[in-house]
Amino acid sequence: DQQVKQNSPSLSVQEGRISILNCDYTNSMFDYFLWYKKYPAEGPTFLISISSIKDKNEDGRFTVFLNKSAKHLSLHIVPSQPGDSAVYFCAASAGDYKLSFGAGTTVTVRA
Amino acid sequence: EAGVTQFPSHSVIEKGQTVTLRCDPISGHDNLYWYRRVMGKEIKFLLHFVKESKQDESGMPNNRFLAERTGGTYSTLKVQPAELEDSGVYFCASSLSLNYGYTFGSGTRLTVV
Repeated sequence: DQQVKQNSPSLSVQEGRISILNCDYTNSMFDYFLWYKKYPAEGPTFLISISSIKDKNEDGRFTVFLNKSAKHLSLHIVPSQPGDSAVYFCAASAGDYKLSFGAGTTVTVRA
Repeated sequence: EAGVTQFPSHSVIEKGQTVTLRCDPISGHDNLYWYRRVMGKEIKFLLHFVKESKQDESGMPNNRFLAERTGGTYSTLKVQPAELEDSGVYFCASSLSLNYGYTFGSGTRLTVV
């Protein structure tokens, strides 16, 4: 039973443009959401997070938006850079520090 | 500071054999987690140690999987006997305190043939 879904397996974007990654969840008990970035042959690295009491969190070029009523969050990367090419995982937790991940979205930034 | 170290990085074994994966967390990190990614799908939680105690093992797929954490330092995950569906990448992560700031290792890619 997959509780976190990333319905776009891949995204291609031109360098300098905005990348928008989407994530949907089904468990209404989730109260903390995270995005991880993963390069080949490496483990996931934490990128940005948001608590359910907020609807937006920004960190440099990365912004995460949370729409609790729609059970949807998104990650915006502006501007996209070649080093952003990676797999991005959405993750969520119900307060027990155990993370439920999506299947990932592969982002390719074209020069 | 050294990161989370996992070895081997790759393992290919035959169905029915036993494999042991090892994880060395960041020194001093009490919390240690095991996750698994199968067939390019989502990363799934397996279990969580706090020091040497299993805090949550709700994600362990079946009793062919055995995790230990001796003395609250390194951890091992043994699969015995291995089945084809056990193939995937096994990630270990650690954190100093109970928070979401895990540091993941690079993973062990297990292939069961």
